[in-house]
Amino acid sequence: GESVGLHLPTLSVQEGDNSIINCAYSNSASDYFIWYKQESGKGPQFIIDIRSNMDKRQGQRVTVLLNKTVKHLSLQIAATQPGDSAVYFCAEIRPNNAGNMLTFGGGTRLMVKP
Amino acid sequence: KAGVTQTPRYLIKTRGQQVTLSCSPISGHRSVSWYQQTPGQGLQFLFEYFSETQRNKGNFPGRFSGRQFSNSRSEMNVSTLELGDSALYLCASSSSGGNTIYFGEGSWLTVV
Repeated sequence: GESVGLHLPTLSVQEGDNSIINCAYSNSASDYFIWYKQESGKGPQFIIDIRSNMDKRQGQRVTVLLNKTVKHLSLQIAATQPGDSAVYFCAEIRPNNAGNMLTFGGGTRLMVKP
Repeated sequence: KAGVTQTPRYLIKTRGQQVTLSCSPISGHRSVSWYQQTPGQGLQFLFEYFSETQRNKGNFPGRFSGRQFSNSRSEMNVSTLELGDSALYLCASSSSGGNTIYFGEGSWLTVV
């Protein structure tokens, strides 16, 4: 079935290095994507979003890249810090009649080593 | 500006009971969605309400229901609780379709 999936369940990086978290989606008609960060015991925190008419968007220390040709999404975190340790989810909104129904990937756990 | 607020944060219920969870969206947001998060199934969409009307519904049994009030606050109810209903229930709000969606901290439900 159609799904949003992640390539790696766990990513371990050294503090100060850059992190790249990947996500694949299968519905080529999906038009809005969001990355969330979830720390233990907390709800998902919005990081950055991107619409299908863009291929790159930058925030503070984060960049999201969208490759519609291969239906791939990535989140890049620059100068990764211990506070970045969390589970990261990509989510897509598939076009339908209306509304905000997010379909989530399985998540990637980012571990930052000091 | 206050974020999405969910109550209660933690609760324990017995099989067969019912539970009601509450969500207050960000001020001005009219769309409220509910998600269930479990280790085995991940984050799954339950339903979405907009202007007191259910706009989208996920693949959950009829024991799961919700509603939205005129002030955009929402409640979800689970009747005849089963052990498998133990999960983190998350509420999310947005101003309208296609805009940024923000989550609350969730309600942790344990069914014993």
